[in-house]
Formats: sequence, C-alpha cells, structure tokens
Amino acid sequence: AQKITQTQPGMFVQEKEAVTLDCTYDTSDPSYGLFWYKQPSSGEMIFLIYQGSYDQQNATEGRYSLNFQKARKSANLVISASQLGDSAMYFCAMREGRTGNQFYFGTGTSLTVIP
Amino acid sequence: ETGVTQTPRHLVMGMTNKKSLKCEQHLGHNAMYWYKQSAKKPLELMFVYSLEERVENNSVPSRFSPECPNSSHLFLHLHTLQPEDSALYLCASSQGLDRPYYEQYFGPGTRLTVT
Repeated sequence: AQKITQTQPGMFVQEKEAVTLDCTYDTSDPSYGLFWYKQPSSGEMIFLIYQGSYDQQNATEGRYSLNFQKARKSANLVISASQLGDSAMYFCAMREGRTGNQFYFGTGTSLTVIP
Repeated sequence: ETGVTQTPRHLVMGMTNKKSLKCEQHLGHNAMYWYKQSAKKPLELMFVYSLEERVENNSVPSRFSPECPNSSHLFLHLHTLQPEDSALYLCASSQGLDRPYYEQYFGPGTRLTVT
C-alpha cells in the first residue's frame, strides 16, 4: 500500500487566494513526522513545514499551515495569499519513528498560480 | 558554501562510461541520502548513510555504488548505466535518523542523461 497519497496531480489558484493541497498517509507507527516540500523548476527540494504525530496543534509557518486530521490520516497543506513564486511541485512526505531511515514521498502536486 | 551542494548539475554519459556524482553538506548533519527522481514517480530512496555507515540500500542495482568517506561528503559512482537510469539524482542530509522530526535538506540535484 502507498504510504503517502497525493490525489491532485495539478492545481490552479488565483494570485492572493488560498489553496489546499491534499495528502493522506498510511502508518501503524504511533510516532511519525509529516513534512511538506516545495520543488521549483530549478529542482531543489525546499522544506516548508513539519507536523509531528503527537503535536496537539496544527503547524504553521508564515503563509503555510498544515491541516492535520489524525483520525482521517490526512495532512493537507494550506497556502494562504498565493504568490506567483508559489508555482512549483509540492510533495508530502512521512518519516516513521521506528524506521527512521525511510522517508516516504508522495507523487506530488503541481501548483500553478494565475496572475 | 551553505546547505547541501551537488556537482555536477548536469551530466550526459554513455552506457559504457564511468562517472561520479558528488554531494557535500555544510550543516553538520550526521545522515546523508541519495534519491532518484523520475518523471511522474515518487522519489525513490536509494541509499542512506549515518555517520559514514550505510544503513539502507533499497534494492538498487550494483551499477550504482555509493561512497561516504566522512559525514560531510557523499558520492554516487556510476558505471554501465542504462537509459532508464536517466533521472534527477538528489542528495539530502538530516541531523540524524533517530527522531521522526528531523527534516531533510536537499541539494539542487544532478540531472543525469544516459545515452
């Protein structure tokens, strides 16, 4: 089974609007971390935000927030006030506590911000 | 130099060539990783090193040979590659492996084309 599922291959958003990128995960490990990365066309993966399985509150980093619904095993990324520079691929990833070696990535969502 | 650097950024090689990819991290991290990124596929973790010891080898063909001489440097030696090995090869580092919240920092990648 897929560890990380991103069901939106491509998304469009108007500049200055908010957008939600979906991510669901599959694990039986009670301790895990969820990450979102941005990959512009230049190729480099840029870390955006982290959510731990034991965190009580949703993570926020500037315009990025993570909508963490543990019971549904979802960790959606919300980008507020979209900017043209937000156009990129976005990857959801998970690291489990018991197998710290492995980082599981989804297939990504391509976001295009329309002026 | 800061963060994670990779050289070369682009590489074209024939199937009979031998080449090496280099990665260097300037973050004082203890773990380093090699990933392969092909179009429309999740990132594939190839190798993981922790304190210069290989801790993960995800069924990677022997034509890929990693080397980690110290915790700051990671190499990927390539020989007799196949056209399907053409991809973006990403190097990453993290503080360690023993905490799920250790995010990975990525280099810009090497775009490899096998002819």
